[in-house]
Amino acid sequence: AQSVTQLGSHVSVSEGALVLLRCNYSSSVPPYLFWYVQYPNQGLQLLLKYTTGATLVKGINGFEAEFKKSETSFHLTKPSAHMSDAAEYFCAVSNNQGGKLIFGQGTELSVKP
Amino acid sequence: DSGVTQTPKHLITATGQRVTLRCSPRSGDLSVYWYQQSLDQGLQFLIQYYNGEERAKGNILERFSAQQFPDLHSELNLSSLELGDSALYFCASSPVKYGSIGAGELFFGEGSRLTVL
Repeated sequence: AQSVTQLGSHVSVSEGALVLLRCNYSSSVPPYLFWYVQYPNQGLQLLLKYTTGATLVKGINGFEAEFKKSETSFHLTKPSAHMSDAAEYFCAVSNNQGGKLIFGQGTELSVKP
Repeated sequence: DSGVTQTPKHLITATGQRVTLRCSPRSGDLSVYWYQQSLDQGLQFLIQYYNGEERAKGNILERFSAQQFPDLHSELNLSSLELGDSALYFCASSPVKYGSIGAGELFFGEGSRLTVL
């Protein structure tokens, strides 16, 4: 079975500060990993994904994540937070066979001016 | 715009009633997924259809059912509604052929917000 744990349901940073959202996964097969963002009253939008190959993945809006198999982690980072980054972020894992995504509980990011 | 269309966007109904949520996937996507998002449970996978056939089931209650039609749109039927069914219901679609090795990226609609009073 696959599962995802996001550490911290709420993270608050100042504008311009580093954003770090933590995600750990459990999977019995090589995982595909995703980060999605949900803005208020909207659906989920893909930020980035790891499938195979390079373990440092770059996504939209300046976000990136690094797949660390030894740590079973896929943390999301952004060097400098913008006010527009305030949203809920979800980490997800799939079994790479066209199947469902299993989501973490989400982390709400607040950005203070 | 993800290309996934969900209707209605908002729905208010009473306990014991039945509702139908509709989803049109992106053009060409054969897989449709339904998720329920609530404050206490987070994003829960309900069910997946691929080209009209049920492929995976998650935490879907027996009072809930779904189907995917030949034109690939899908409907989620919720019956004997309870207060706890109030949630945001998302539909997502995927271009990945079921069972093949693929990236598994899902494209989400904007959701149908169900309020049960």
